[in-house]
Amino acid sequence: DIQMTQSPSTLSASVGDRVTITCRASQNINIWLAWYQQNPGKAPKLLIYKASSLESGVPSRFSGSGSGTEFTLTISGLQPDDFATYYCQQYNDYSWTFGQGTKVEFK
Amino acid sequence: QVQLQQSGPGLVKSSQTLSLTCAISGDNVSSTYAGWNWIRQSPSRGLEWLGRTYFRSKWYSDYAVSVKGRISISSDTSKNQFSLQLNSVTPEDTAVYYCARDDAGFDYWGQGTQVTVSS
Repeated sequence: DIQMTQSPSTLSASVGDRVTITCRASQNINIWLAWYQQNPGKAPKLLIYKASSLESGVPSRFSGSGSGTEFTLTISGLQPDDFATYYCQQYNDYSWTFGQGTKVEFK
Repeated sequence: QVQLQQSGPGLVKSSQTLSLTCAISGDNVSSTYAGWNWIRQSPSRGLEWLGRTYFRSKWYSDYAVSVKGRISISSDTSKNQFSLQLNSVTPEDTAVYYCARDDAGFDYWGQGTQVTVSS
């Protein structure tokens, strides 16, 4: 299986901050990466697909970049609703895997 | 608007079979562009994709290595739904189970079902 490693595991930030989360794949996954946001007790919500494509209805302050093995999710101007846990997920091969998650908490 | 509605028991005994169903509205299980997935989440294992079924002129299934040999995902076109069967469960299979559609990422999810495996 392809291993996905996110950093940091926890991130302390304030409203208005620019936040960046990194996801590294154990092998080349081209651009086959998605990002999700999850709030407690809820299903994950798709934010970004194909590494940098914004899902319909997702605010433009969310952006994704990268290809190959290194990817980033950036939130430009953190809003109160953005304090949540974020996951990356690869869909390059026939066995898909998630990162371990990054919790964005109030500073 | 696509909606996925999960059903199935929340308590399963060790060594028995976990069975869940996901009813689809707003899309078709025989779609030739989407896939239909089962994913689970637990504190110890995080988010874990279990497998999927999809139709591309014929039916296919892919499964995670971690559950291969114990899992089956099938579709029922007459009811527009798909199902998960996980055999020989242990307490390690205790998790919240989700169904989800994939179309370049998991864009629609079921509500989640807490499944507890009792020893």
